[in-house]
Amino acid sequence: NAGVTQTPKFQVLKTGQSMTLQCAQDMNHNSMYWYRQDPGMGLRLIYYSASEGTTDKGEVPNGYNVSRLNKREFSLRLESAAPSQTSVYFCASSVGGTLRRDGYTFGSGTRLTVV
Amino acid sequence: AQKITQTQPGMFVQEKEAVTLDCTYDTSDPSYGLFWYKQPSSGEMIFLIYQGSYDQQNATEGRYSLNFQKARKSANLVISASQLGDSAMYFCAMRGSTDSWGKFQFGAGTQVVVTP
Repeated sequence: NAGVTQTPKFQVLKTGQSMTLQCAQDMNHNSMYWYRQDPGMGLRLIYYSASEGTTDKGEVPNGYNVSRLNKREFSLRLESAAPSQTSVYFCASSVGGTLRRDGYTFGSGTRLTVV
Repeated sequence: AQKITQTQPGMFVQEKEAVTLDCTYDTSDPSYGLFWYKQPSSGEMIFLIYQGSYDQQNATEGRYSLNFQKARKSANLVISASQLGDSAMYFCAMRGSTDSWGKFQFGAGTQVVVTP
């Protein structure tokens, strides 16, 4: 089925370990996003990629890096995980542009725990 | 800067009753879009409804309707005839016309529990 595929679904890391969250979409969308979801705070934007070859910081970029590998794939890397990065991470994609009626298509989320 | 406020952390509603979820927003953008998403306990995010700031009529999608009051900067979601499957977290989100590349601002969410 067409959509956004995120891997892994669950991950436990030790403080200081690194990992990469993978995201791929097959809808030919231009824009891709990484959000984190924390209780009582909704979803906050970490990084986004307006189009292939570009990436920009969102609201909470510290401790993260991203790569827009091609139009389909957008990965999020934690270089040295910290307990404060325990969260649920969502990848999303959209056609792009500001006044479109279509919303995001979300991946299923990654539940990350840093101990 | 844009801001979305959902003041109801949680609420209970009886099956078959209607429920209104509050959402207020703040933006200086001349045009914008408002979205509601549902997140059931399984965790996925499901798009429910969209309202454009210049749309003449309030949006409706099946049992979902959006009570849009532009002057008050509110975009409340109304779920009619609640079902047990409506139990979920609901997020209001906004995309402004000056927001580059479609970034969304989300509210903190409202947890809805539908009881028999």
